[in-house]
Amino acid sequence: DAGVIQSPRHEVTEMGQEVTLRCKPISGHDYLFWYRQTMMRGLELLIYFNNNVPIDDSGMPEDRFSAKMPNASFSTLKIQPSEPRDSAVYFCASSFPTGLFNTGELFFGEGSRLTVL
Amino acid sequence: KNEVEQSPQNLTAQEGEFITINCSYSVGISALHWLQQHPGGGIVSLFMLSSGKKKHGRLIATINIQEKHSSLHITASHPRDSAVYICAVSRGSQGNLIFGKGTKLSVKP
Repeated sequence: DAGVIQSPRHEVTEMGQEVTLRCKPISGHDYLFWYRQTMMRGLELLIYFNNNVPIDDSGMPEDRFSAKMPNASFSTLKIQPSEPRDSAVYFCASSFPTGLFNTGELFFGEGSRLTVL
Repeated sequence: KNEVEQSPQNLTAQEGEFITINCSYSVGISALHWLQQHPGGGIVSLFMLSSGKKKHGRLIATINIQEKHSSLHITASHPRDSAVYICAVSRGSQGNLIFGKGTKLSVKP
């Protein structure tokens, strides 16, 4: 398996533009997570899905952020309109099918580095 | 106060030294993860543990649930171990993680 695939790896955009980040999880993983990493706040969970259904989006900073998972092999994180404070590295991760607790090992993508000017 | 605290924040060691990174947490957890982030930015899961100890090569992770503390040890450190090591805890069945701020390790040849 190729691992978790994210695109684009780097994006530079201007304030106010729409940004779409994409993620393809590892086949067979039924959990998908979106994280954001900044120097100030470190890694934070934004939202996660189980079997394509959003379970917890309490980490999504505001209504400008939205995430979808239309099928088991694809998810998007959209920012509209983007602002300079959204500049960060956005990671997607997926994990194995669950047991009693979802404490499965996480597999991370390489991340998408977003710069909003 | 952060729910997951790591120490030290920065650590410089000479090649061959034994290294310990500590993680304390203040919430109930179902598991604790140790992650490694290399200078290029990629994140790799090293360990996931809920009790006892795990070993993989030169890396050893321990957890004491009663004391809410975990340690990551690196034996015979090597410059390629230079990275940021991140402790994270997962809670209940929700499957989301709370992250520590990371420990930046630099191993000098």
